[in-house]
Amino acid sequence: EDQVTQSPEALRLQEGESSSLNCSYTVSGLRGLFWYRQDPGKGPEFLFTLYSAGEEKEKERLKATLTKKESFLHITAPKPEDSATYLCAVQALSNKLIFGAGTRLAVHP
Amino acid sequence: DAGVIQSPRHEVTEMGQEVTLRCKPISGHNSLFWYRQTMMRGLELLIYFNNNVPIDDSGMPEDRFSAKMPNASFSTLKIQPSEPRDSAVYFCASSRLAGAPDTQYFGPGTRLTVL
Repeated sequence: EDQVTQSPEALRLQEGESSSLNCSYTVSGLRGLFWYRQDPGKGPEFLFTLYSAGEEKEKERLKATLTKKESFLHITAPKPEDSATYLCAVQALSNKLIFGAGTRLAVHP
Repeated sequence: DAGVIQSPRHEVTEMGQEVTLRCKPISGHNSLFWYRQTMMRGLELLIYFNNNVPIDDSGMPEDRFSAKMPNASFSTLKIQPSEPRDSAVYFCASSRLAGAPDTQYFGPGTRLTVL
C-alpha cells in the first residue's frame, strides 16, 4: 500500500536555527514527490516537485532533496514568516497524490 | 491568473440538508481533484476528473457524496443528506496535464460545518 510518513509532527525553532523535515515513503512506481506549504485557513501552496533520487531544488531558505526512500526539506536560517504546516505528497502510477500528515513548524523570534 | 476558485468559503448547515460545493479550475487545466481535510485523517483525495470525465472516485466515502464536472470550467461536489461527520474543509485542485505527473494547484477551500 502506498504510504507517506512525515516527521516530526511539530517542530519549534528559534529564528536563525536551521533544521530539516523528513518525508519517508513507500510507493509502487514514484512519478513525483511534492512539497506544499499550508498556512492556517488556506489551501496548500506548491513549493517543489522532485522526480528522481539525487535531485535537489531550492527556493529562498528552503531546499528539498530526494532519495529512493525519503525526502528532506531543509530550512536554513528560518524566519517567523516560515511558520506553517509543510505537507509532503507522492504521486504514484495512478496519478493520485497521497499526502503525509504534515509537519507543523513554528519559528519564534 | 485567478487561481482555483471555490465557493462558498464557509457553509453551516443542519444535518439532513443538501450541500453543494463549487469549484472553478485554473483556465487551461485538464485535471480536477476534490480533497477533504480533517484533523484526524489529514488530506484525502475524494475523486478526480481528467478532461471532465471522472477517473477515480474510490475516495468518495458514501453514496451520499456525488461529484460532477459538466464542463472544463466548473465542478460541483454534493452531499445529500449531510451528517455531522462530514464537517471538514473541502479543497478543489487542478493541474495542467491529464494522465501525467504535474503540479496540482489548490483553491482556498470550503469549510463545512454540519450541525
